[in-house]
Parts: sequence; structure tokens; C-alpha cells
Amino acid sequence: GENVEQHPSTLSVQEGDSAVIKCTYSDSASNYFPWYKQELGKRPQLIIDIRSNVGEKKDQRIAVTLNKTAKHFSLHITETQPEDSAVYFCAAAGGSYIPTFGRGTSLIVHP
Amino acid sequence: DAGVIQSPRHEVTEMGQEVTLRCKPISGHDYLFWYRQTMMRGLELLIYFNNNVPIDDSGMPEDRFSAKMPNASFSTLKIQPSEPRDSAVYFCASSSLTDRAGSYNEQFFGPGTRLTVL
Repeated sequence: GENVEQHPSTLSVQEGDSAVIKCTYSDSASNYFPWYKQELGKRPQLIIDIRSNVGEKKDQRIAVTLNKTAKHFSLHITETQPEDSAVYFCAAAGGSYIPTFGRGTSLIVHP
Repeated sequence: DAGVIQSPRHEVTEMGQEVTLRCKPISGHDYLFWYRQTMMRGLELLIYFNNNVPIDDSGMPEDRFSAKMPNASFSTLKIQPSEPRDSAVYFCASSSLTDRAGSYNEQFFGPGTRLTVL
């Protein structure tokens, strides 16, 4: 089955800096890569996703890149704000579209 | 739609007791997932259903765990007997292969049930 590795497990940045979270996956058949954000005590919520026919996708301050050859994808957050502090999960899904989640990255943005 | 609904939100029970967690998915969604979240193991998929049929229960930790989906609008996750190591937040999520927004298979999570087994 699919195996998703996510790094780092914890990321601490100053407000205004950029943050990058990286994930690798094992199944070359995976073609859908969502990212979820979970604020403290809340439920995970989708923030952005990318499909394998696209190399990059942006939505305001967040962007995701995908390298299918290397089987890795990344989440980039620019101009970080304290409200970006949360746990971020990457995931990969194949033909069944059932995602396998990474272990999560705890992002802390210091004011 | 009110989103995915879970009950109870918090459950405190004693070891050996039966625990039943409930979930109402978003109307029209044909996939339902049960997850367990802990600090040690992260977000684990326990089981998922498609059109009320269990498809993959390989994540269910042991026979003490069982899940049912008697109809499209209701699912239960039961632990019998419960043990302290079952303490976790249990999320239910639902999805559909396609939706009007085009973000197919986005999983919509419920608020979770925080289970504490003493």
C-alpha cells in the first residue's frame, strides 16, 4: 500500500517568514495530493490539493508543488501569520482516491 | 447542510465498558471514514464504507472494535470492551467522488469524539 512520509514534524518560524513542509510517497500510481490544516482542538480541513497532471498550484499565500518523478510534493506558505499556526497533514491517493495521510507537521508562527 | 455530525463530543468511561460513537455524514456523500488520532500514531484510518458497505477494515486494531453503517445517514463505531489505550480523538469523515466545487474526494471531517478510558 501507499506510504507517506512527512517532514519536519515541527516547524517554528517568525511571523512574515516562509514555511515549507515536504512529503514523499511510495506508490507511483498516486495521482491526488490534498493538504489538510488542523487547528488546535478542531477538525482537519482541506486547504489545497493538487492532481498529478499539474506541477504547481497556488491559492493566495499557499502553494503546493509536485514532482512525480521524484515522488515528492511540498506545501509552501509565504508571509506566515500567527493564525497559520496549526498541524498540517499531507496525503496521497491513487485510483481509489482514498488518501493515505502523513504524520503531520506542527507549524508554530511566532509574532 | 450542517456538515458531518458526531456524538458524543466527549466520552469518559471506565475500562471494560462498551463505548459507541455515532456519525451522520453529509447528505449525498457515498464514502464514510472512521479515523483515530493520537499524539503517538497520528491520524489512522480505521475503516471506510462506500454506499454503506465496508470496503477496508484493515486499520481496525483488533476484534474489540466494530463498525456498522445500517443506512446512508448513520454509522457507529463500537469498542467493547474498552481499554485505556483506546483513549484518543475519533473522527468521522465523509466524501463524494465528485462535487459541484470540483474538489473531488475532499474529505469533510466531523468535530470528533474525544474518548477517555480510565
